[in-house]
Amino acid sequence: GNSVTQMEGPVTLSEEAFLTINCTYTATGYPSLFWYVQYPGEGLQLLLKATKADDKGSNKGFEATYRKETTSFHLEKGSVQVSDSAVYFCALNRDDKIIFGKGTRLHILP
Amino acid sequence: GAVVSQHPSWVICKSGTSVKIECRSLDFQATTMFWYRQFPKQSLMLMATSNEGSKATYEQGVEKDKFLINHASLTLSTLTVTSAHPEDSSFYICSATGGEGYFTEAFFGQGTRLTVV
Repeated sequence: GNSVTQMEGPVTLSEEAFLTINCTYTATGYPSLFWYVQYPGEGLQLLLKATKADDKGSNKGFEATYRKETTSFHLEKGSVQVSDSAVYFCALNRDDKIIFGKGTRLHILP
Repeated sequence: GAVVSQHPSWVICKSGTSVKIECRSLDFQATTMFWYRQFPKQSLMLMATSNEGSKATYEQGVEKDKFLINHASLTLSTLTVTSAHPEDSSFYICSATGGEGYFTEAFFGQGTRLTVV
């Protein structure tokens, strides 16, 4: 079946460090892939997306590339800020249903 | 981007009462809406999928009679937690897809924190 696996957190980094949050997926066909971010006490916001292989989604300094050969969609940011502290969810859309990974909590220390 | 509004943001109710949560798409017509439940420090669990004008499709393990979902129009879906109990306390989030063109992404409401006392 369709599923998303992402690295377990929490991930704690110092400000300006490089961030990678791994995400791999299992799906039939070619799903669209997303990263969502959830700030404390809030709903989810779309951070970036990619709809086909080799697409790169980017937003707010975050990037992720749709890798069909490795079925991955790793999230990266070159220099994190304290305001990036949140929970990040990798997700795929297949048959109009969004499937989420378990989420990765990110703590950025000043 | 498209906006989904969820109301109320938080609610406290007594055990045994029912609570209704609304999810509205403000600037697009949502052909499909989803309801999720999120436990503390955990991922989102899909509860059900609702399409306008038809019955909701519930995920395995979700009680249809306890979590009533109505998607009466293209801009409104409601989730009613009936005869609520403390174990129903959770963060409930809706999302919507649809609109002009083809939305491959879902837009989320801000969530509703339900506390049953």
